Order: sequence, then structure tokens, then C-alpha cells
Amino acid sequence: NAGVTQTPKFQVLKTGQSMTLQCAQDMNHNSMYWYRQDPGMGLRLIYYSASEGTTDKGEVPNGYNVSRLNKREFSLRLESAAPSQTSVYFCASKQGGNQPQHFGDGTRLSIL
Amino acid sequence: QKEVEQNSGPLSVPEGAIASLNCTYSDRGSQSFFWYRQYSGKSPELIMFIYSNGDKEDGRFTAQLNKASQYVSLLIRDSQPSDSATYLCAVRASGGSYIPTFGRGTSLIVHP
Repeated sequence: NAGVTQTPKFQVLKTGQSMTLQCAQDMNHNSMYWYRQDPGMGLRLIYYSASEGTTDKGEVPNGYNVSRLNKREFSLRLESAAPSQTSVYFCASKQGGNQPQHFGDGTRLSIL
Repeated sequence: QKEVEQNSGPLSVPEGAIASLNCTYSDRGSQSFFWYRQYSGKSPELIMFIYSNGDKEDGRFTAQLNKASQYVSLLIRDSQPSDSATYLCAVRASGGSYIPTFGRGTSLIVHP
């Protein structure tokens, strides 16, 4: 039972490079989320998709774009990476309403 | 701004004791409340969720909700060293987005 799968698990980029973080869930959940977690800052919402075909900005969207490719997949793209985007990125999904979120294992991203 | 506050800790308790973790929230209309455990270097893992005033028990864990006072607590009975982790409180506030707001977490250390 895979749950929420994120790839890659680790990545090192140079400033200005681009990359896409992948997330897929096999729980048939409607909603998907991207968070970043920095020391002392807690989880901060970057973007979310309440349902297939919709995406919305969260608390810290600048420098990121997202695509809800289908119900299973929700990708996060960094067009021009900056050192301030060094962080751990978590994808989460939930069925909807008051249901809890389920998290992937995270992607540890370093930008030099 | 809907806020969720947690004491960052660390909270240190001896093995076998009761650990009490607290969380306060600002939105009086909040609907659902979640506790996640996060081991160092790992992703958040759902422990419990509670929607109604009162207590909800699951094994060694008890969640307590008091909507009038706007706080939710997590009690861990018979604490074990394996319970040492950061505990995140998440609150789904009123309004239509169904997105929970996370506290910054409380670090718990259970010493033998």
C-alpha cells in the first residue's frame, strides 16, 4: 500500500536551474497539497489542488508552479531555483472535507 | 490570520510518565483537529483526529478538545523513548477551503 509517493527523495541543484518534484497518490483522494518545511518554521503551504482540474496558491507560492496532471498526480516546479528554496518538500493528499491529510516521505532539496 | 500555537519545547518526561502536549487556536469556528507525530528526518504521521468536544482515546493516546477555551491537547500515557519526536497540531478552521493550519510543533523527549 504505497499511499503518497514523492520523487526524487534528494536533489542538489545550482542556482538558476529548474526541476520538477513529482507526487502521486493511490488512495483516490480528491485534494492534494505541497508544503515546505524549514527549521523553526513549521509546515508552510505552497500550493494546493482541491480537486482534479483546480489549483490555488497557498501561503508561500512565489517561485513555484504546480500542475494537477490527473487525479493521482500533482507536480511542483521550480523554474529558476534560488538558495532560499533549500528546504524539505512534502506532498500530502486527503479525501476531502474534515478528513486528515496523509503525507509522502518528502524531498530534500539543496540549492547551491 | 488564523493561528495555531504550540510550545516548541523540548518537553522532557521520564519513561512511563504521562506526556501532555497542548495546542491553542485562534479561530473559534474551527471544525476539526489533528495530531501528527514527526520523527527527525521523517514525514508527519497522523496519530489522531478529533471533531467534538471531550476526549477521544486510542491506545496510549488521548486527544482532548475544549472548543470554548480554544485548545486541544494530546496525552501520551506510559511514555516510551520511542515516543520522542516532534508533535504537530493541525486545525481546520471555519470557511470553505478545508485546509488545516499547522502549528510549529512541540519536541518531546522521553528519557529512560
